[in-house]
Amino acid sequence: AQSVTQLGSHVSVSEGALVLLRCNYSSSVPPYLFWYVQYPNQGLQLLLKYTSAATLVKGINGFEAEFKKSETSFHLTKPSAHMSDAAEYFCAVSIQGAQKLVFGQGTRLTINP
Amino acid sequence: KAGVTQTPRYLIKTRGQQVTLSCSPISGHRSVSWYQQTPGQGLQFLFEYFSETQRNKGNFPGRFSGRQFSNSRSEMNVSTLELGDSALYLCASSFGSVGYNEQFFGPGTRLTVL
Repeated sequence: AQSVTQLGSHVSVSEGALVLLRCNYSSSVPPYLFWYVQYPNQGLQLLLKYTSAATLVKGINGFEAEFKKSETSFHLTKPSAHMSDAAEYFCAVSIQGAQKLVFGQGTRLTINP
Repeated sequence: KAGVTQTPRYLIKTRGQQVTLSCSPISGHRSVSWYQQTPGQGLQFLFEYFSETQRNKGNFPGRFSGRQFSNSRSEMNVSTLELGDSALYLCASSFGSVGYNEQFFGPGTRLTVL
């Protein structure tokens, strides 16, 4: 079975600072990994995904994530936080042949002016 | 291209009633998945339909059911509502039914059970 752990339910950074949201996964088979963002009263929007090609994945809005198999991690980063990045972020895993996402508990990102 | 639409956006029901939620996927998408989002349990997979067949099912009781029509539109039904069914129900569509397909989410239907 697959599972995802997001370290830190709340992360607060200053505007312009580095954003680092942590995600560790567990999977017995090669996983596909995703980061989604959710703004208040909205659905989820895909930021980026890892599907076994390049291990460093670039997404929208300046976000990127690196797949590290040895650490079973897929941390999300952004060099410089913007006020509009304040939202909830979800890491998710799926496997080949199963269109089923298993989500982490989410990390609420707050940006301080 | 229009996104995933869900109707209604808000719904208030009482315990014991049943409810039907609707989801229209992005044109050309044949896979529709449903998720339940609650503060306590987070995002949980309910089921996935592809070409009118249920392909995957999460760990929810039989009160939760769904179906997909030939035009890929999907409905989800919850019978004998319980207070704990209060949640945001999200529908997602994708072109295929393999794990690497991106899922596009709708805005959700917020169900409140009184």
